[in-house]
Amino acid sequence: KQEVTQIPAALSVPEGENLVLNCSFTDSAIYNLQWFRQDPGKGLTSLLLIQSSQREQTSGRLNASLDKSSGRSTLYIAASQPGDSATYLCAVFNNAGNMLTFGGGTRLMVKP
Amino acid sequence: NAGVTQTPKFRVLKTGQSMTLLCAQDMNHEYMYWYRQDPGMGLRLIHYSVGEGTTAKGEVPDGYNVSRLKKQNFLLGLESAAPSQTSVYFCASSRDSDPTGSPLHFGNGTRLTVT
Repeated sequence: KQEVTQIPAALSVPEGENLVLNCSFTDSAIYNLQWFRQDPGKGLTSLLLIQSSQREQTSGRLNASLDKSSGRSTLYIAASQPGDSATYLCAVFNNAGNMLTFGGGTRLMVKP
Repeated sequence: NAGVTQTPKFRVLKTGQSMTLLCAQDMNHEYMYWYRQDPGMGLRLIHYSVGEGTTAKGEVPDGYNVSRLKKQNFLLGLESAAPSQTSVYFCASSRDSDPTGSPLHFGNGTRLTVT
């Protein structure tokens, strides 16, 4: 059974810092991996999707990397802003089956 | 374009009561999903549907039933609510099962408390 873990569970940084969020998964037979953002009281919004054959994806100040063999992904946020404050979740889509397995999320607070 | 709409937004139930959560999507998506989210845990799939008239069990289906009588609606029922079902429930939809070309669209959630 696939298990997805995110560390740390919570993170507080001053505005302007570069930061890294971590995601690990136990079964490397994944089809792709996604990073989502969740604002309080809202649903999830997809940020980046990395196919299993890719090493990274970039969108603006966000960069997600994938090391499938070691079961790890990182989300790098450059020059953090207070508006980046949210919970970030990663999720993997396995080769077998048609469902996503989510991590527990990292709650990020960026202080002005 | 409303996307995915969930009703109600909040609900408090007593143990043993029943209720139905409604999810509606206006994107003509085939796939619809019900997840629950508990503190510190990721979203866990309860049930899903691959098209009108179909349903399937997810990771944590016990205590829940679903129906997809119309393509745009996916209902989640609790026949006899238990405190362990206190959670935030999210509905999502997608065009097909592969997130690559068919991202999930989420509703804003229903916060359910069972006392």
